[in-house]
Amino acid sequence: GNSVTQMEGPVTLSEEAFLTINCTYTATGYPSLFWYVQYPGEGLQLLLKATKADDKGSNKGFEATYRKETTSFHLEKGSVQVSDSAVYFCALSSNDYKLSFGAGTTVTVRA
Amino acid sequence: DAGVIQSPRHEVTEMGQEVTLRCKPISGHDYLFWYRQTMMRGLELLIYFNNNVPIDDSGMPEDRFSAKMPNASFSTLKIQPSEPRDSAVYFCATSEGTREKLFFGSGTQLSVL
Repeated sequence: GNSVTQMEGPVTLSEEAFLTINCTYTATGYPSLFWYVQYPGEGLQLLLKATKADDKGSNKGFEATYRKETTSFHLEKGSVQVSDSAVYFCALSSNDYKLSFGAGTTVTVRA
Repeated sequence: DAGVIQSPRHEVTEMGQEVTLRCKPISGHDYLFWYRQTMMRGLELLIYFNNNVPIDDSGMPEDRFSAKMPNASFSTLKIQPSEPRDSAVYFCATSEGTREKLFFGSGTQLSVL
């Protein structure tokens, strides 16, 4: 079946540091891949997506590239801010269109 | 638009009581999903609807759980009787036309004592 594996957190960084969160997946067919973000006390929000191999999703300074050869979709940001403190979820959607979420990675950015 | 609206935000109840969680989707969205979030199991899809019709309820854990969508503006998730292991955050999410970009509500924090 479909599954997503994310690097375990929590991750604590200083402001302006580089952030990377690893995500690998197992799926049948050709899934679409997503990163969702959850700020404290809120629901999840779509951060970015990629629908086919080699696509790069980007939003708010975050980027992730769909790597079919390594079945990965790692999230990166070059310079984080305190406001980026949140829980980040990697997810995939395959032929049945149901979203499968990873366990989430908690990121805390210190000023 | 006000977004996906869930109520109540917090619910504390005693074991054996009936619990009803409510969701108002974004107007025009034809897909509605109920998720449960716990530390141990992460985000689990319980059930989803398309045009008010339940499509897949394979994630509903037991017969104690039921969900309805009587019209395009309202859905409920009911637990009867509730148990302490049902304690979790329950999210409603909706989407328009695609089942991929979801808009989540703020969730209902349920505590069953």
